Amino acid sequence: DTGVSQDPRHKITKRGQNVTFRCDPISEHNRLYWYRQTLGQGPEFLTYFQNEAQLEKSRLLSDRFSAERPKGSFSTLEIQRTEQGDSAMYLCASSSGTKEQFFGPGTRLTVL
Amino acid sequence: DAKTTQPTSMDCAEGRAANLPCNHSTISGNEYVYWYRQIHSQGPQYIIHGLKNNETNEMASLIITEDRKSSTLILPHATLRDTAVYYCIVRSRRKAAGNKLTFGGGTRVLVKP
Repeated sequence: DTGVSQDPRHKITKRGQNVTFRCDPISEHNRLYWYRQTLGQGPEFLTYFQNEAQLEKSRLLSDRFSAERPKGSFSTLEIQRTEQGDSAMYLCASSSGTKEQFFGPGTRLTVL
Repeated sequence: DAKTTQPTSMDCAEGRAANLPCNHSTISGNEYVYWYRQIHSQGPQYIIHGLKNNETNEMASLIITEDRKSSTLILPHATLRDTAVYYCIVRSRRKAAGNKLTFGGGTRVLVKP
């Protein structure tokens, strides 16, 4: 399968713990995006990378959130000191330049 | 990016064409119309996009009005697997805009046997 993959698919954590999600984009895609989706809503943009450079961050991305794409391939999204309001589906997408984005299956986070 | 307005939900009979409308009256000349869909518990799936001409691919057709203020996504022969939330999105062509997608509430389409 050469699509976007995300790991883990599900994560349950206790409030205050740190969590890290991984995204592997489609090979050769230079752009990688993170979105967050809460129940009943459309996805909301969080941040995006062009190669290893993080070019835009949404105001939704508080200082507890950090994303990296160290070698311009896979990316990680870390949430520190999780809160119940962080419970959501975290979606990763990739694209070749400004072409259409292809999404992964998402990581569902539940904060107890 | 321009905002879009879509009906909250619609039903469609299996085997019939499904016509999904979208209003984007504030669209500018350098903005595309994109359609994605999201089947339950999956990530969004790209369907089609266009600028001002009508477009067709193996999944759907996109009809954009001449003034570009509205569009219609057509699923020619809906199947039960087309049950999903369909999002109409307007996205800037400018490279500096970053290509991010701004999703609205979408239209929840239920295909019935």
